[in-house]
Amino acid sequence: SQQGEEDPQALSIQEGENATMNCSYKTSINNLQWYRQNSGRGLVHLILIRSNEREKHSGRLRVTLDTSKKSSSLLITASRAADTASYFCATEAGDYKLSFGAGTTVTVRA
Amino acid sequence: EPEVTQTPSHQVTQMGQEVILRCVPISNHLYFYWYRQILGQKVEFLVSFYNNEISEKSEIFDDQFSVERPDGSNFTLKIRSTKLEDSAMYFCASEWGSSTGELFFGEGSRLTVL
Repeated sequence: SQQGEEDPQALSIQEGENATMNCSYKTSINNLQWYRQNSGRGLVHLILIRSNEREKHSGRLRVTLDTSKKSSSLLITASRAADTASYFCATEAGDYKLSFGAGTTVTVRA
Repeated sequence: EPEVTQTPSHQVTQMGQEVILRCVPISNHLYFYWYRQILGQKVEFLVSFYNNEISEKSEIFDDQFSVERPDGSNFTLKIRSTKLEDSAMYFCASEWGSSTGELFFGEGSRLTVL
């Protein structure tokens, strides 16, 4: 299975702190993406990193990809209460579909 | 900002009934998808659709499921005879081109089968 697996399952941090979550996957990919899902809502695309990239930034988000270890990390810096959500990694292997992990639930305490 | 819209937001149906979930993808997008998320579980791929035909489908997408793009704007998912285990949130997504990688998801349609 291509599916990513996130770690940790849940994370609780204080506002202003950084949140780091990891994703591991099993086989070769074209790209890896991170999505956010607020409770009961749809998935919002955050960032995409291609297999030939090692690091990417978007605002307060930093994503790394290590294809030799088949892993990725998502760092959210200076977290805000509005960052409270579930975060999913999803891998794409050139087969026109995303394989999602189980997600990390992040709670940012005010 | 353009968005993917889905209707209904919530549908309750009796087991064995037919259900149609509707989606309006972003207008210049070419690739369309259905995913589902059973409560508390992973988001699962159901089907991808391009150029008026299915590109890829998962094992979940059996003969009870079908998709259609009837009029160039709507993209529908039909479940012919619903089962209890079809209860889930169904997400439609669209993508401009297969190389872009970024999918735009709708807010989902929650299906409850009684």
